[in-house]
Amino acid sequence: KAGVTQTPRYLIKTRGQQVTLSCSPISGHRSVSWYQQTPGQGLQFLFEYFSETQRNKGNFPGRFSGRQFSNSRSEMNVSTLELGDSALYLCASSRRDPQVGHTFGSGTRLTVV
Amino acid sequence: AQTVTQSQPEMSVQEAETVTLSCTYDTSENNYYLFWYKQPPSRQMILVIRQEAYKQQNATENRFSVNFQKAAKSFSLKISDSQLGDTAMYFCAFMKHEDGGSQGNLIFGKGTKLSVKP
Repeated sequence: KAGVTQTPRYLIKTRGQQVTLSCSPISGHRSVSWYQQTPGQGLQFLFEYFSETQRNKGNFPGRFSGRQFSNSRSEMNVSTLELGDSALYLCASSRRDPQVGHTFGSGTRLTVV
Repeated sequence: AQTVTQSQPEMSVQEAETVTLSCTYDTSENNYYLFWYKQPPSRQMILVIRQEAYKQQNATENRFSVNFQKAAKSFSLKISDSQLGDTAMYFCAFMKHEDGGSQGNLIFGKGTKLSVKP
C-alpha cells in the first residue's frame, strides 16, 4: 500500500513569505502529526490532527498552523517566514493504536533565504 | 516534561559485528511506549522496534533487540550481524499513553549516527 506522501520535497522561500506543505497519510490512518527537524534542535513536535481536529500542539509560535481535511490529508502553513524556519518538515500518520507507532513520510526540505 | 538522551553522537562498527546504542529517558509517567527509529540519507524515518512500558519482556525484531530497564529508565538498542544498509541516524523516542487509545506525540533524542564499515 502507498506510504505517507509529502509534497513538495524541496522548497526555497524568501524571508517574510508564507508557505504551505502537504501530507497525505496512509489510507485508513486518521491521525497526522507534524515534526520539524533541524541540526540544532533535533526533532520537535509541531501538532497532531485527528478527524479534522487539532488534538495536540507543540511549543511553536502562532505563525505555524495546520489543518486536516475530511479525507485525512493535512496541510501545515508557516506565515512570515524567518531564516530559522529552514528545516526538514516531517509528517507522520498513525492508526488509533499507540503501540503500533507512526509511519513517516520523506519530508519537505524548506530553505528560507 | 519528558526528555530523551542519547549520549553517543557517533558510532562505528565493522560489518557482521554487534553494536549497542544507548538511550535514557526521564518521565514521571507509568504508562508509555518507547521506539527506535532509523533515518537513512533518504530522510524517511523508519520504525525499527517498539516497546510497551508495561511489558517486561524485551522486544526483538530479527537482528534488532532492546534492553529495556524500566527502573533505570534505560532503553538500549542492540544490532547483531551489522550490515552496510544499517548505516543511518538512529533516534530513540518516547510517547506517553493517552486515554481513549489516541496517539500521543513522540519525544525524540538527538540521535546517534551509526556507520557500518566493510
